[in-house]
Amino acid sequence: DAGITQSPRHKVTETGTPVTLRCHQTENHRYMYWYRQDPGHGLRLIHYSYGVKDTDKGEVSDGYSVSRSKTEDFLLTLESATSSQTSVYFCAISVAASVTDTQYFGPGTRLTVL
Amino acid sequence: SQQGEEDPQALSIQEGENATMNCSYKTSINNLQWYRQNSGRGLVHLILIRSNEREKHSGRLRVTLDTSKKSSSLLITASRAADTASYFCATVYQRSNYQLIWGAGTKLIIKP
Repeated sequence: DAGITQSPRHKVTETGTPVTLRCHQTENHRYMYWYRQDPGHGLRLIHYSYGVKDTDKGEVSDGYSVSRSKTEDFLLTLESATSSQTSVYFCAISVAASVTDTQYFGPGTRLTVL
Repeated sequence: SQQGEEDPQALSIQEGENATMNCSYKTSINNLQWYRQNSGRGLVHLILIRSNEREKHSGRLRVTLDTSKKSSSLLITASRAADTASYFCATVYQRSNYQLIWGAGTKLIIKP
């Protein structure tokens, strides 16, 4: 257990509203990731971070922004939520020093945009 | 586009039987990883196999990697009801900037 929590676990919001999801880790792991999971697509990387204030885009970053002001917290923001962003969002960390190694996942946030 | 593709998409077997799932990928990899996801839960890492390895074991799990065919298989022996889950392969390769690229998964159902 890598001590990863996500909040909120469930959220229903309306189109056009801003939404922020939080990922918190209890240890000082360098790499953190945000994924979305949709039926038939597996996981798709939204953004990732390799340190405080160091972030980069993933495969499906349009409409999302992230921030990492502290090692333990990685925030995902939907500036203006759309129905296509209805999904399950997972946060993950890499425990090892290498970005290519095993990832550990949080429990997920189910987001519904009406 | 997806790098890894699992086959079959769904598999239903009797408890006690062996389950085999396959993953194919498109370009040369650094490593390949298998994860399990129980319904409504986060993913759990099972095995990581590097490009210079051909086989790895972990308990009832056996993973093989054939880089010439760009494919991997996950074998679960003596299946149990608790093995019911979705199984995903994820590949790491240089062109992905060393990020994990995921397949769509195999849904495994173990019938009692």
